[in-house]
Order: sequence, then C-alpha cells, then structure tokens
Amino acid sequence: DIQMTQSPSTLSASVGDRVTFTCRASQNFNNWLAWYQQKPGKAPKFLIYRPSSLKSGVPSRFSGSGSGTEFTLTIGSLQPDDFATYYCQHFNGYQYTFGQGTKLEIK
Amino acid sequence: QVQLQESGPGLVKPSETLSLTCTVSGGSIHNFYWSWIRQPPGKGLQWIGTISSSGNTTYNPSLKSRVTISLDTSKNQFSLNLRSVTAADTAFHFCARHVSFGGVFDCWGQGILVTVSS
Repeated sequence: DIQMTQSPSTLSASVGDRVTFTCRASQNFNNWLAWYQQKPGKAPKFLIYRPSSLKSGVPSRFSGSGSGTEFTLTIGSLQPDDFATYYCQHFNGYQYTFGQGTKLEIK
Repeated sequence: QVQLQESGPGLVKPSETLSLTCTVSGGSIHNFYWSWIRQPPGKGLQWIGTISSSGNTTYNPSLKSRVTISLDTSKNQFSLNLRSVTAADTAFHFCARHVSFGGVFDCWGQGILVTVSS
C-alpha cells in the first residue's frame, strides 16, 4: 500500500506569510491527490484535487501542485481563518489513504 | 443543500459492536457514494469503508474483517457496524459523501465521538 507522509508536522507562521506543505508518497502513483482543511472540533473540508484544481469557493490564495511522489499545498498570503490542520488524501483504485496532517499554527 | 448527521451511542463496551447511522437530508442518497471515516482524538484520519447507492461496499483492508456498512434508501440513511471493538477503536466517526468511488469527500457530517470503555 502507498503511504502518505506529510511535512512538516507543525508549521508556525504569521498572517501574511506564504507557506507550503508537502505530501510525499511511498511510491509513484496516478496523481490522485486531494487536500483537506480541518479546524478543531469540525469535520474536514475539501480544498483542492488532482492535485491543482480548487473546489469552487476556495480562495485563490490556496494552490496545489506536484506529480509523481511529491505534492505541495501553498497558501499565498495567510489569513487568520487559515490556521488549521491540513491533510492530504490519496486513492489507489481500491482504498483511500490520508497523510498524518500538518498543523498550521500562529507564530 | 445536503446535510449529513451521524447518530448512535457515544459509549461502547470492549468486545461489543459499534453501530452508527448517518442520515442524509436535503438531497437524495441515490447516485452518490457514502463513506465512513474515523479520527482518534488528536490523531489523523482513517477511511473505514464506502457503500454505493446500489449497495456495493469496499472496506479498508485493515478493518475489513470487522466492518459492515449498509444502506436504507427508504430512510435516506446508511450505517456502520464495527464488531469486537477495543479501546483502539475510540474515535470521532464522520460520514461523508462522494460522487464516485475515487471521488473526493465533498460533504461531511459533523462527526460523533464513540468511546470504547467498560
């Protein structure tokens, strides 16, 4: 099975910063990669898919990229609402796998 | 706007069966796929399994021997049964919708915490 590893585990940043999260796969796959945002006590929200298509309504400061085994989520200019935990997700044809998450906290 | 709501006991004894129901409102259960995902407190997400609106199921191999997901289209509900639970099964459980098997989870329930303890 493909393992998804996210880095860093925690990222401290300030409002206005540009930040990038990484999701690495244990083997090359089909670029099926999605990103979710989760705030404490809430369900995850889908943000980006395959790996650069934004869900309708997601601010354009969010962007996704990557191929092969390395994928990134970038937030262009952090807003207060963006501090949350971000998960990547992969589908291999028969099961879904999530990364362990990156917590974005206020510096 | 479709909404999902999980319901069921918040406390289950070890070795017993965890049973949850997800009620879909504001939309039909037909023509979509429905999944259960769990999250131990303070930890990451784990996909449990999926059922199509026609009743076909796919489960996480690590849980397959203990999981059954079923559908009740007349009530616009789908359910999760997880047998022989242990403390390691304590988690928030979310139900979610996707438009295809292989699609993203575009709509989620709020989640329900199930604690396994005697």
